[in-house]
Amino acid sequence: EAQVTQNPRYLITVTGKKLTVTCSQNMNHEYMSWYRQDPGLGLRQIYYSMNVEVTDKGDVPEGYKVSRKEKRNFPLILESPSPNQTSLYFCASSSSRDSGGYTFGSGTRLTVV
Amino acid sequence: KNEVEQSPQNLTAQEGEFITINCSYSVGISALHWLQQHPGGGIVSLFMLSSGKKKHGRLIATINIQEKHSSLHITASHPRDSAVYICAANNNFGNEKLTFGTGTRLTIIP
Repeated sequence: EAQVTQNPRYLITVTGKKLTVTCSQNMNHEYMSWYRQDPGLGLRQIYYSMNVEVTDKGDVPEGYKVSRKEKRNFPLILESPSPNQTSLYFCASSSSRDSGGYTFGSGTRLTVV
Repeated sequence: KNEVEQSPQNLTAQEGEFITINCSYSVGISALHWLQQHPGGGIVSLFMLSSGKKKHGRLIATINIQEKHSSLHITASHPRDSAVYICAANNNFGNEKLTFGTGTRLTIIP
């Protein structure tokens, strides 16, 4: 089944403890991206990647890192999480902007205490 | 001011009614997306448009590039259509930067 897999689905962590949210797609999509969703603010893009080793900042990149060493994986790294990074996170992929929409992962609900 | 504006923010309608959700954008775009998010959080991509009109079942999406406006229509609405509908715009700078509207919460009453 074609899908984007995010892990974990739920995570509670403490301020300052490094964490990684994984994202993997099995559709050979070149584009991948990360978003956060907050009440009243909607979805906002954190980082995106046009292909392997090509990443760029979205609207809210502060406090996050990404890497794209393989086409299928696009992990989101929080080196020193803070409470304002408590949010619902989504990963998505697409084959190309000209032919398809996005396939979203199921989301990761992160709480930083 | 958000570059992508949606209206209405909330919409409640009776089953069977024709639904229209609007999206206006202020920047040049290469594509406009309509997304659906059900309670429980999962997001599904409904349409990607760069011109004209697309139809999938009871859903129709249109875009007017000159007026910088897109609409999502639902015919013969059903309670299972209750969800948040989000429009999002790809800019026209050749990258994957995406700007989102704040969403329209649709409730269809049986």
